[in-house]
Amino acid sequence: GEDVEQSLFLSVREGDSSVINCTYTDSSSTYLYWYKQEPGAGLQLLTYIFSNMDMKQDQRLTVLLNKKDKHLSLRIADTQTGDSAIYFCAERGWNNDMRFGAGTRLTVKP
Amino acid sequence: DGGITQSPKYLFRKEGQNVTLSCEQNLNHDAMYWYRQDPGQGLRLIYYSQIVNDFQKGDIAEGYSVSREKKESFPLTVTSAQKNPTAFYLCASRGDEYEQYFGPGTRLTVT
Repeated sequence: GEDVEQSLFLSVREGDSSVINCTYTDSSSTYLYWYKQEPGAGLQLLTYIFSNMDMKQDQRLTVLLNKKDKHLSLRIADTQTGDSAIYFCAERGWNNDMRFGAGTRLTVKP
Repeated sequence: DGGITQSPKYLFRKEGQNVTLSCEQNLNHDAMYWYRQDPGQGLRLIYYSQIVNDFQKGDIAEGYSVSREKKESFPLTVTSAQKNPTAFYLCASRGDEYEQYFGPGTRLTVT
């Protein structure tokens, strides 16, 4: 099974906020990432957070990290139709191995 | 422009044939990776290379082979021993920084 878990689907209305959740299992993870994948394309890094941080904000994106619960979330404010994509959570362990979740497919309805 | 290229974007092969997927980067990165992506699953690591002339098996290496003769290039061969080769294949590289950079992917269909 996956070491990193995400729900597979999320649907929101344009203009609403989206919250994508992720749980991970490796407490020694150094960095945690959110990647975006558009149809038929590679992964694009959206944002990352270092494991000693609780929160990181970058324009419409807010990442929250709860190390105690090994829970990571990505909030997208004012979600637009162009945000429709698959979002992957990933963790980087102490040996630089990357572990990816299965991806959350975000659908934004007009 | 710096980046990672994968070619071709779409590849079709008959069952029983070996096929090689290309991955090239001009980012001067030491580490390179091959992942396989199937619907509803995360990326699974096939092989990785931390430096030229060295590579390691990932989680699902059976039926695949790689080489790393040049820093810029990390080709992946899908052999006839791979039971379910149809998938989307992603190559990535990483330098000293925190990020893995991904190529655009190759969709392989074997019939």
